[in-house]
Amino acid sequence: DAGVIQSPRHEVTEMGQEVTLRCKPISGHNSLFWYRQTMMRGLELLIYFNNNVPIDDSGMPEDRFSAKMPNASFSTLKIQPSEPRDSAVYFCASSLAGASTDTQYFGPGTRLTVL
Amino acid sequence: AQSVTQLDSHVSVSEGTPVLLRCNYSSSYSPSLFWYVQHPNKGLQLLLKYTSAATLVKGINGFEAEFKKSETSFHLTKPSAHMSDAAEYFCVVSDYNGNKLVFGAGTILRVKS
Repeated sequence: DAGVIQSPRHEVTEMGQEVTLRCKPISGHNSLFWYRQTMMRGLELLIYFNNNVPIDDSGMPEDRFSAKMPNASFSTLKIQPSEPRDSAVYFCASSLAGASTDTQYFGPGTRLTVL
Repeated sequence: AQSVTQLDSHVSVSEGTPVLLRCNYSSSYSPSLFWYVQHPNKGLQLLLKYTSAATLVKGINGFEAEFKKSETSFHLTKPSAHMSDAAEYFCVVSDYNGNKLVFGAGTILRVKS
């Protein structure tokens, strides 16, 4: 299995631009998670989906952030408009069913820099 | 709410000596606990997990951790450090519904030759 796939791996953009991060979970996994990692705040869960349905988006910083999962094999995280404080590494992870004992498998991350 | 505290932000050991990374957790129920490792500029990889079975859990690359309920601890150990072990390690607890992982702040392990 290829594991969780994220694209792009690096993104540099200017403040005010729209940014779209993409994730392909492991085939057969029903839960998908978006995390953000910064030096100041560590790893934070932004949102997670179960069977393509958003279950908890309480970690999404503000309305500039949105996430979708149109099908079981694809999810996007969009920031519009982007701001310099959004600079971080964004990870996508997937798990089989989202149970407490399930392992979450992480993608390689997207390093976002907003100038 | 569940939380984890990693007691050391940095640990430095010599190659071939034991590794101990300390983690305490707080949970109102019997938790699932994980250790993940992150090498520089890489994603997170699961080392091991505890899910209420055996209290001594063995993981990949010679790592193991022991769940001690009385001490609310889940320390990560390895008998002999390798240079390739240099990375950041995260202790993680799963929330009651299992859908959220709560990460510790991380411990950076440095291995000296």
